[in-house]
Order: sequence, then structure tokens, then C-alpha cells
Amino acid sequence: EAGVAQSPRYKIIEKRQSVAFWCNPISGHATLYWYQQILGQGPKLLIQFQNNGVVDDSQLPKDRFSAERLKGVDSTLKIQPAKLEDSAVYLCASSQTGVNGYTFGSGTRLTVV
Amino acid sequence: DAKTTQPNSMESNEEEPVHLPCNHSTISGTDYIHWYRQLPSQGPEYVIHGLTSNVNNRMASLAIAEDRKSSTLILHRATLRDAAVYYCIGGGATNKLIFGTGTLLAVQP
Repeated sequence: EAGVAQSPRYKIIEKRQSVAFWCNPISGHATLYWYQQILGQGPKLLIQFQNNGVVDDSQLPKDRFSAERLKGVDSTLKIQPAKLEDSAVYLCASSQTGVNGYTFGSGTRLTVV
Repeated sequence: DAKTTQPNSMESNEEEPVHLPCNHSTISGTDYIHWYRQLPSQGPEYVIHGLTSNVNNRMASLAIAEDRKSSTLILHRATLRDAAVYYCIGGGATNKLIFGTGTLLAVQP
């Protein structure tokens, strides 16, 4: 089966600019997650979707980050405006049922200069 | 979700078994124990999970203590491709995985 697709693979922007990341989960996976991974740390959950509804966005900095999942399939994560501390890898994952068997994409590496 | 404690790093020699420990003393009776690993420049990948009984799959074995306060991931014969960060995660009731900092496994030829 095809994996979780993410784009772009790399992105470099200046601070205060905006950026968007795209994720296409595995077909049929109802749950989609966005994680932020800062260098040297484990992934940190930003937001969890079940179909096209938000289940948990308690760790999402809502003043600058937003996410949506259109028609319960693809998802986009946006940062506006970006700060230097947003430099990280942004990982998308999907699962069919719960936590047993997340599949992660390769991530988007964001550098804010 | 249960808090887990893992060593920051471990070393192994190629073709030898590796035992990666994890403490999860606050785990609840319904929380699964999950292991994921992250190779360089890749997203994490699923390794194995279990609840009470020991589990085996093609990648690894998971040995769970009888009191469920600790577990050990066993790689039977380490290869250079097993060099990665290994994450032990306790939880599941909320349908989300909360990662710690994991164990960086180095495999020497």
C-alpha cells in the first residue's frame, strides 16, 4: 500500500513569512495526526483529526498555527507568521484504528531564518 | 498516557542481540506498550506493541514484566540498519501517541 505522502520535503523561509505543509494519508485511515519534531527531541503532537473533525488541538499554538482536513482525507498545516523557534521537522501520521499501527510520512523539514 | 523512562543511548555490536529497556511504572491496566523507531531523516515506524503477554513479530520481540511496570524490546540480531532512536510509549486510551526522547541505539560493525 502507498505510504503517507508529505510535501514539500524541505522549506526555508524568513521569519514572519507564512508556510503551508500538505499531507495525504493512507487511503481509508480515519485518524490523522500532525507532529512537530525539534532537533534532538521526540515528536510532539500538535493536532489530531478523526475524519474531518478535530479531536485534540490542545498543543497547537493557535495564534500562528492552523490546520484543516478537507473531506476527511488530505490535510494542510499552516504557520503564519513563522518564528525562528518553528524550525523543525513536521510529521504527518495516519492510522486506521487507534494507536496500533501509526504510519508516518517522511516529514517536511522547515528552516526559519 | 503513562510516563516512560528509557536510557538516552545504548551500543551494540552487529549480529548480537540487543535488549532495550523501558520503565513505565504508572501504566494503567488498559494501556498498551508501543515501540516505534526512527531512522535518520525518516519518520518514526511501528515496531511492536503489547498489553500483557510477550509478543513476537518479524522485526523484534517484546517482553513485558508480569507487573507491567517495565518492558524490554529485543532485537535478536542487530544489523547496521537497526541503528535508530527507539521510542517506548505507554498509552492508547486517547488514541494518540505521546513520544519521549527515546534511546539512541548505535550498532558497531
